[in-house]
Amino acid sequence: ILNVEQSPQSLHVQEGDSTNFTCSFPSSNFYALHWYRWETAKSPEALFVMTLNGDEKKKGRISATLNTKEGYSYLYIKGSQPEDSATYLCALTRGTGNQFYFGTGTSLTVIP
Amino acid sequence: IAGITQAPTSQILAAGRRMTLRCTQDMRHNAMYWYRQDLGLGLRLIHYSNTAGTTGKGEVPDGYSVSRANTDDFPLTLASAVPSQTSVYFCASSVESGQPQHFGDGTRLSIL
Repeated sequence: ILNVEQSPQSLHVQEGDSTNFTCSFPSSNFYALHWYRWETAKSPEALFVMTLNGDEKKKGRISATLNTKEGYSYLYIKGSQPEDSATYLCALTRGTGNQFYFGTGTSLTVIP
Repeated sequence: IAGITQAPTSQILAAGRRMTLRCTQDMRHNAMYWYRQDLGLGLRLIHYSNTAGTTGKGEVPDGYSVSRANTDDFPLTLASAVPSQTSVYFCASSVESGQPQHFGDGTRLSIL
């Protein structure tokens, strides 16, 4: 069993607040780290994929960083909006990238 | 509309019965995946296929089989369903192995 851990498990923030959450993973045999957004009653949607230590990706108000040496990635949301409410999943791929190991997600609720 | 189609949407099945979950994509993606989602455990990979004609085992393959006769279809079969296979099943695809995945809407399966 390969542990990909996400924290916190859930988070409530006020509209306009900035927030961040963490994905921790074993750093050995690293291939890529993915972030997905999963809204209720929908299917997961890919946000970012990062492969290199120090990678930073940005899409609008959402950004992510990667540290493969210490085995963690941060997801940041600047100026949270109610439509950002979702579960954010990270997934690790190792070796040749065939197998995805998902964390259990961080559930974000943005209160208007 | 391009994407992934899963069928059925939901199913109640008696233990011991055989069941095939269907997954079809029209994006000409080479890689396809089957996951199960259980409360508190997140998405766990059952089987994957890097390209038509090849398949591989994921994290939780026991009790499941897959085939990949062509690029578009990736059915998942439960030969003799057991109650522990009650779950929500998601099919996904990506352009190539290890790339960001597109997910179907899921199949909710209950084994009684």
